[in-house]
Amino acid sequence: NSKVIQTPRYLVKGQGQKAKMRCIPEKGHPVVFWYQQNKNNEFKFLINFQNQEVLQQIDMTEKRFSAECPSNSPCSLEIQSSEAGDSALYLCASSLDNYAEQFFGPGTRLTVL
Amino acid sequence: QQNVQQSPESLIVPEGARTSLNCTFSDSASQYFWWYRQHSGKAPKALMSIFSNGEKEEGRFTIHLNKASLHFSLHIRDSQPSDSALYLCAVRSSGSWQLIFGSGTQLTVMP
Repeated sequence: NSKVIQTPRYLVKGQGQKAKMRCIPEKGHPVVFWYQQNKNNEFKFLINFQNQEVLQQIDMTEKRFSAECPSNSPCSLEIQSSEAGDSALYLCASSLDNYAEQFFGPGTRLTVL
Repeated sequence: QQNVQQSPESLIVPEGARTSLNCTFSDSASQYFWWYRQHSGKAPKALMSIFSNGEKEEGRFTIHLNKASLHFSLHIRDSQPSDSALYLCAVRSSGSWQLIFGSGTQLTVMP
């Protein structure tokens, strides 16, 4: 069973508010991914890290989203100014390397009112 | 840009049936192919993966890959009610760090 921990499980924010969610990857996994799963089950890759370094991120992430994976602390994904369209399930996954199976956490369900 | 499509969107089968789920991709240089399963309210979990043309079987599950036709599939033998879930295919292109997921097939196995 996956041991990726995500907090909080549910997050409710007003438009324009900051929304921050955290992820503790599985022990020993240096690679961390963030995805957004919308109500139509569509996955969108947001960003990934190897140790503390960003490997790849999409344009959306660069503008309103910020993410980090500091050493000895949980990884985090923060939306600086939430919009209604950001309402989704945010999934964190970790893996041994970029070719291995990704182990997912249960997600943080964000609702932007 | 990789485009991954799944069919059908939803499927209802009786217990014991053989179920086939399909996935097509657009990038012929794709190298890594995965099937994930997501039960309602739970985290997606990898079922199987395949990296070269052909077939791979694990228990009741078989995965087929045909790179020339840009298609791979998942077959479930003797489907069980516990198999009811969202099935997601995912593809990784050469030189990319990200997995591109399809939008899923919602499978319901009726007892």
